[in-house]
Amino acid sequence: ILNVEQSPQSLHVQEGDSTNFTCSFPSSNFYALHWYRWETAKSPEALFVMTLNGDEKKKGRISATLNTKEGYSYLYIKGSQPEDSATYLCAPNAGNNRKLIWGLGTSLAVNP
Amino acid sequence: SQTIHQWPATLVQPVGSPLSLECTVEGTSNPNLYWYRQAAGRGLQLLFYSVGIGQISSEVPQNLSASRPQDRQFILSSKKLLLSDSGFYLCAWSSWGQGRSPLHFGNGTRLTVT
Repeated sequence: ILNVEQSPQSLHVQEGDSTNFTCSFPSSNFYALHWYRWETAKSPEALFVMTLNGDEKKKGRISATLNTKEGYSYLYIKGSQPEDSATYLCAPNAGNNRKLIWGLGTSLAVNP
Repeated sequence: SQTIHQWPATLVQPVGSPLSLECTVEGTSNPNLYWYRQAAGRGLQLLFYSVGIGQISSEVPQNLSASRPQDRQFILSSKKLLLSDSGFYLCAWSSWGQGRSPLHFGNGTRLTVT
């Protein structure tokens, strides 16, 4: 069973702060890693799909990096805004069954 | 543009009653379709996925079933609900296998079995 860990579990920051979260996963048989943002009362929204070791992707103030050899990905938010408040989920696709396995997420609250 | 519709948004059903949740996708052909469940304190769990009409793969043994009667329609059903079926159900689609194609989710159904 693929074990996915996200840390921290929750985070409170002030508007304008930059922040980052971690997603850890077993590095064997890596195929891809997904990041999603899930705002309250909305559906999860895809942020990034990353496939290559050393990948770095950016979408506005949000960026992510991937290290498949050591089994982790970082998500960074620069200059957090209240609208960034959401739960951020990572889901690696690895192992023999090629299915996404979801972490429990990092819940981010940005105070104005 | 592609859209996904899922209904109902909330549902309260007694134990032993049947269930039918429906999901439709517009603006794309031959999508991969998925049913996920999020139980309290747990990550998203894949229940069923489908790569085409009539093709359903079940990921976990359970009280639920899924059907895909049309290319862009995915239905989650149960003949008799259990208390443990309570949770938040999400339908999703992707262009191809869930490995390297992002998932696009519906707004979900909050099911409470009483």
